[in-house]
Amino acid sequence: DAGITQSPRYKITETGRQVTLMCHQTWSHSYMFWYRQDLGHGLRLIYYSAAADITDKGEVPDGYVVSRSKTENFPLTLESATRSQTSVYFCASSEVAGGAYGYTFGSGTRLTVV
Amino acid sequence: TQLLEQSPQFLSIQEGENLTVYCNSSSVFSSLQWYRQEPGEGPVLLVTVVTGGEVKKLKRLTFQFGDARKDSSLHITAAQTGDTGLYLCAGERGNKLVFGAGTILRVKS
Repeated sequence: DAGITQSPRYKITETGRQVTLMCHQTWSHSYMFWYRQDLGHGLRLIYYSAAADITDKGEVPDGYVVSRSKTENFPLTLESATRSQTSVYFCASSEVAGGAYGYTFGSGTRLTVV
Repeated sequence: TQLLEQSPQFLSIQEGENLTVYCNSSSVFSSLQWYRQEPGEGPVLLVTVVTGGEVKKLKRLTFQFGDARKDSSLHITAAQTGDTGLYLCAGERGNKLVFGAGTILRVKS
C-alpha cells in the first residue's frame, strides 16, 4: 500500500517494558517525524530525521529512542515505558524541511501503559 | 505554554452557521498550515499560507495569514455536519512544525 503506515494501531504494555512503534513510508520522503498527541497539548515533536542515519531531538525526547537505518522506516522505541507515556503517537513524513508542502501523517498508534 | 494559541478550544454550532477559528502567536513563522483531524486518524493538510496577508479559499473554507505572519484565521461559511473534527494550526519554525492545541468543531444537524 502506498502512504505512511504505523503499527500497531493499539498497544497496551506494562510499566518498565520496552516497546517499539513502527513507521513505514513509501514515498522516499527525506524527512520523518514522531509526534505525541495529548489532550490540551496538541501535537508535540519527540524526534525527527532528515535522512537515513540522521536524527535529532524534538521538544519532548526523554525516554524515547529512534533509529533510521533505511529511508522508509523510522521506528520509535520506549526503552522503559512509564504511565506518562500513555498517548497517541503519530508518525509523519515530508518531502522538504519545514513542511512547506505539508506533512503526511499516519493513522497513529494508541499506546496505554499500565 | 503553547507557542501557538488556538481559540476557541471547543465550538458547537448548528448546520448552516458561519464560524471563525483563530491561531495566534507572538512569534513569526515562515509559513502556517491548517490541518483537519477526524477521530482515530492522523491530521490531514488543508492549506499552507506563506505570505503575510495571504488569503486562500478552499470551497467554503477561507484561510488568512496575518500581515506580520504571527497569526492566522480559518473561516467556514455555512457549516455542514461533515466539517465536524479537530482543526489544528501549525507554524514552521527552524525547519520543523509547531502545532497548536486545536479547536474541536461539532456541527449539529
